Amino acid sequence: QQQVKQSPQSLIVQKGGIPIINCAYENTAFDYFPWYQQFPGKGPALLIAIRPDVSEKKEGRFTISFNKSAKQFSLHIMDSQPGDSATYFCAASIEGFKTIFGAGTRLFVKA
Amino acid sequence: DVKVTQSSRYLVKRTGEKVFLECVQDMDHENMFWYRQDPGLGLRLIYFSYDVKMKEKGDIPEGYSVSREKKERFSLILESASTNQTSMYLCASSSRGQWGTEAFFGQGTRLTVV
Repeated sequence: QQQVKQSPQSLIVQKGGIPIINCAYENTAFDYFPWYQQFPGKGPALLIAIRPDVSEKKEGRFTISFNKSAKQFSLHIMDSQPGDSATYFCAASIEGFKTIFGAGTRLFVKA
Repeated sequence: DVKVTQSSRYLVKRTGEKVFLECVQDMDHENMFWYRQDPGLGLRLIYFSYDVKMKEKGDIPEGYSVSREKKERFSLILESASTNQTSMYLCASSSRGQWGTEAFFGQGTRLTVV
């Protein structure tokens, strides 16, 4: 199975809150799990990525948690800001090749 | 600054027309991709290419074809446009590596078929 399932579809949080976006996959051959951020009128851009031999990765306010046995991974945004309002996509790829994306989560951070 | 450039931001075409969407990257990347983006469906892979003149079908290739005659250019062709092909089309490129590498996206082409 190539599918990557993402939830929730949309999310509204207050400034300073910690939105969490979850993704699940079936294909155990996936070896790279990136998250992309997309602002209106722009193409997606890489935010942070993790490999399955690591359980957590932090970059600034963004953290990926990875659970290999459950085949799930999630994005946490600490101290969220209105400027974080965007659409977030989880994704998975095999051997650095084609990337499969989740359906996306529209995040709105209230000021 | 790395760049993936799509030839048009907005296009309006008539049903049955042949439509060409062009994409150029300046990063000497081996891999290039075409996705379509629809609300609630995310990014779905149409076709990809890992080398000049090479192409592979993605998840939704029906109604589309591609051409890669030069390393930096990847074209998406709608042979006979239909209204259900109204969508946002995104081109991306990435380098070839043992592990996953970042995909760089263009700004997208919003195609409307009337």
